[in-house]
Amino acid sequence: QVQLVQSGAEVKKPGASVKVSCKASGNTFTGYYMHWVRQAPGQGLEWMGWINPNSGGTKYALNFQGRVSMARDTSISTAYMELSRLRSDDTAVYYCARGAQLGAKFPETHWGQGTLVTVSS
Amino acid sequence: DIQMTQSPSTLSASVGDRVTITCRASQSISSWLAWYQQKPGKAPTLLINKASSLESGVPARFSGSGSETEFTLTISSLQPEDFATYYCQQYNDYPWTFGQGTKVEIK
Repeated sequence: QVQLVQSGAEVKKPGASVKVSCKASGNTFTGYYMHWVRQAPGQGLEWMGWINPNSGGTKYALNFQGRVSMARDTSISTAYMELSRLRSDDTAVYYCARGAQLGAKFPETHWGQGTLVTVSS
Repeated sequence: DIQMTQSPSTLSASVGDRVTITCRASQSISSWLAWYQQKPGKAPTLLINKASSLESGVPARFSGSGSETEFTLTISSLQPEDFATYYCQQYNDYPWTFGQGTKVEIK
């Protein structure tokens, strides 16, 4: 059973950075893309990008290019998403979500519980 | 970016009703479309992939159809646990994009 457990809520000031972690259970961490999706309060879903946990390769949405960085630590089956130069409109719940097997095309199947990031002065 | 437009934005229905949600893509996405259900305070749950393929464990009252630019999600007989928000998502081209959501409310 795949389980993704994310780090706890964060409160940050504008201009700061935040790093959210996502620990995957099971021994399939390096075999599947890990996506990050965010949801502002009362709003819809916004795809941010993915990381290939095997190679460390990434694909980011242009909206976040230059501000987002995704990384992984395979020794502890954990993915990370860091967002810098935070603004108030970055206030959202950030989700990690496991996607397709590497090389395949498939949507996100298993989601973390979400991490609320609040940006406020 | 590919724009995904869902209609309606809100839908009021009763238990037992047949419900249909439409999702339109701004350009062809073949069948690379997913449907998700989201309940308040929870992460989304994948219902359907590749436009019409039901995920394991998803009740058969859910079905999806369509291709290219026009897609539908149908719930054949609405159950109390189906009151939620539904999102379509295209994964044909980057950035992957979602529709704005359709909230299914109790009538």
